Amino acid sequence: QVTLKESGPGILQPSQTLSLTCTFSGFSLSTYGMGVGWIRQPSGKGLEWLANIWWDDDKYYNPSLKNRLTISKDTSNNQAFLKITNVDTADTATYYCARILITGPFDYWGQGVMVTVSS
Amino acid sequence: DVVLTQTPPTLSATIGQSVSISCRSSQSLLHSNGNTYLHWLLQRPGQSPQLLIYLVSRLESGVPNRFSGSGSGTDFTLKISGVEAEDLGVYYCVQGTHAPYTFGAGTKLELK
Repeated sequence: QVTLKESGPGILQPSQTLSLTCTFSGFSLSTYGMGVGWIRQPSGKGLEWLANIWWDDDKYYNPSLKNRLTISKDTSNNQAFLKITNVDTADTATYYCARILITGPFDYWGQGVMVTVSS
Repeated sequence: DVVLTQTPPTLSATIGQSVSISCRSSQSLLHSNGNTYLHWLLQRPGQSPQLLIYLVSRLESGVPNRFSGSGSGTDFTLKISGVEAEDLGVYYCVQGTHAPYTFGAGTKLELK
């Protein structure tokens, strides 16, 4: 059974760095074709893809935020991470991690973690 | 970036009614490897998105077969043959052919 769960700080101040953790089970990020992606959703709005990391450590970022994003993984502990530097109120959203397969879609999603940026 | 335009933005349906949602892409989603990375998600109120259809028309395991997907190139359709109460929520198309991944704005399915 594949499960993913996000964790984060809940609230942080503008200009700080947001650090998110995705802890998953039921698959390994060392297996060919496996990946984890991060997607966010401001309250009442649509979905925005942020970044993916693959089993071979390939990383892809949304160019609109690329300079602020860093994705990484800890294969041994079944975790993936996302850091967003210099946050502002526009980064307030629910952040999801999801498994992605090389064959296509985000097929399993975490429950999401709400992050609020406020002074 | 690829823009996915979903219509209609809101859909009102009665239980048992068949409905369709359109997703049009600003460029062809046919990848050079022959796959078309266009997928459909459903986000029920207060829940995470879930995968319904992948690669245009393939039904995700466990998803009822009243859901079907079709299309090619730039025009895609999700059809629900006989809406049930559990189908209410927001439907999103998402493409993975061209970086960055992009989502449609969503279609909200409501009960009439």
